[in-house]
Amino acid sequence: GAVVSQHPSWVICKSGTSVKIECRSLDFQATTMFWYRQFPKQSLMLMATSNEGSKATYEQGVEKDKFLINHASLTLSTLTVTSAHPEDSSFYICSARDQLYTDTQYFGPGTRLTVL
Amino acid sequence: GNSVTQMEGPVTLSEEAFLTINCTYTATGYPSLFWYVQYPGEGLQLLLKATKADDKGSNKGFEATYRKETTSFHLEKGSVQVSDSAVYFCALQRSSASKIIFGSGTRLSIRP
Repeated sequence: GAVVSQHPSWVICKSGTSVKIECRSLDFQATTMFWYRQFPKQSLMLMATSNEGSKATYEQGVEKDKFLINHASLTLSTLTVTSAHPEDSSFYICSARDQLYTDTQYFGPGTRLTVL
Repeated sequence: GNSVTQMEGPVTLSEEAFLTINCTYTATGYPSLFWYVQYPGEGLQLLLKATKADDKGSNKGFEATYRKETTSFHLEKGSVQVSDSAVYFCALQRSSASKIIFGSGTRLSIRP
C-alpha cells in the first residue's frame, strides 16, 4: 500500500527555536497534503491543507505565521513551527492524498514535538 | 456543520468479549465513513471504510455498516484480543478532496 513518512519521528527543542517537520509520500505523488495536530488523549484537529505549488489553506484559529507550510514538490510538504513555545508541544501528523490511483488519504506515523 | 460523535471511553473488556463502539455523524450529502486505529506511540492506520449507505466495511474481524437512516457507523468485533488494545477513531469525509473529520476517539483496553 501507499506509504507516507515523517521526519523526524520525535524532536525536543528549546523555547524560541524553530523546528521543521517533513512529510513525504514515498510511492505516489500528492498534490494535496494535510497537517493535523493531536494533543495527548485527544482527537486529531486539522491545521492546514497544503497544496503543491500554492499557498496552504489554514483552518480557523491556526496562525499561519507560526506554522509555516511549504509544499514545493509532489512528494514533500514541510511544516515549520517558528519560535516554538511549550504550548506547541504536541503530536503532529500529516496525510497525503493519492489523487491519481486510489483517491485516498494516507497518514504518516506522526512527529512528537516537545518544547522545553 | 459536519461532525462525528463517538462513544466515550475508556472501554475495558476481557479477551474474547464482544465489542461495540458507537459512532454517529452529522453531514450534508453522502460522506464516506471510516474507522482508524492508533496503537500506543504510533500514527493512524485505516481499519475499514464504507463509501455509501448500507455498505459494510470489514478488516481483521472488525465490521461497521453505513446506516443512513440512523446516521451511524458502529464498530463491532465478535471476539477481541489483547492486541486490539488501542484508540479507535470514527471519521467522515465529504469528498475525496476534502479534509477528514475525526471523532474524539475511544480508548479500548483488553484484559487477558
